[in-house]
Amino acid sequence: SQTIHQWPATLVQPVGSPLSLECTVEGTSNPNLYWYRQAAGRGLQLLFYSVGIGQISSEVPQNLSASRPQDRQFILSSKKLLLSDSGFYLCAWSRTGEITEAFFGQGTRLTVV
Amino acid sequence: AQSVTQPDIHITVSEGASLELRCNYSYGATPYLFWYVQSPGQGLQLLLKYFSGDTLVQGIKGFEAEFKRSQSSFNLRKPSVHWSDAAEYFCAVAPGGGNKLTFGTGTQLKVEL
Repeated sequence: SQTIHQWPATLVQPVGSPLSLECTVEGTSNPNLYWYRQAAGRGLQLLFYSVGIGQISSEVPQNLSASRPQDRQFILSSKKLLLSDSGFYLCAWSRTGEITEAFFGQGTRLTVV
Repeated sequence: AQSVTQPDIHITVSEGASLELRCNYSYGATPYLFWYVQSPGQGLQLLLKYFSGDTLVQGIKGFEAEFKRSQSSFNLRKPSVHWSDAAEYFCAVAPGGGNKLTFGTGTQLKVEL
């Protein structure tokens, strides 16, 4: 079966510090990968998605970037965090080549102080 | 671009009462529709999905949803709510041929004992 791992679960970082959130998927190959951010009362906003290694699409302009160095690894980064980067970040995957649901990780609660 | 509206931010029901959560979507073609549930501080779990066929779909945990094209709606229902159903519920739509989900802002369900 497929599993998705996301870490860390919680993170408190000072303004201006770098960020690296990691997500890995097991039990499948060549998945579509996604990073979402959830803010209170605003639902989930798609930040990045990837259909393959090194292929990243950004959905909204922001202070964050994403990378996919391996088939099942998706990383969310920032060089300098802003207060507005605080939120709940969710990684998700879906199967390639068919319309299916997305499967979500447990999320990372990021607080920028 | 597609969009999803969940008009109810908060809903409170008594345990054992019936439940209906509203979802309206905007999309020019046949949508792929989903309902997810999120417990506090957790990722999202898929309740059910509609791709085609029977417009009444059954999901996990006793939930069902009905797709009504004429009303652009995909409302979630449950005949008898349990206290463990208290959570946040998200409706989402994916455009035909793609896997990127657009989410509504969510409905927070509170269950009174």
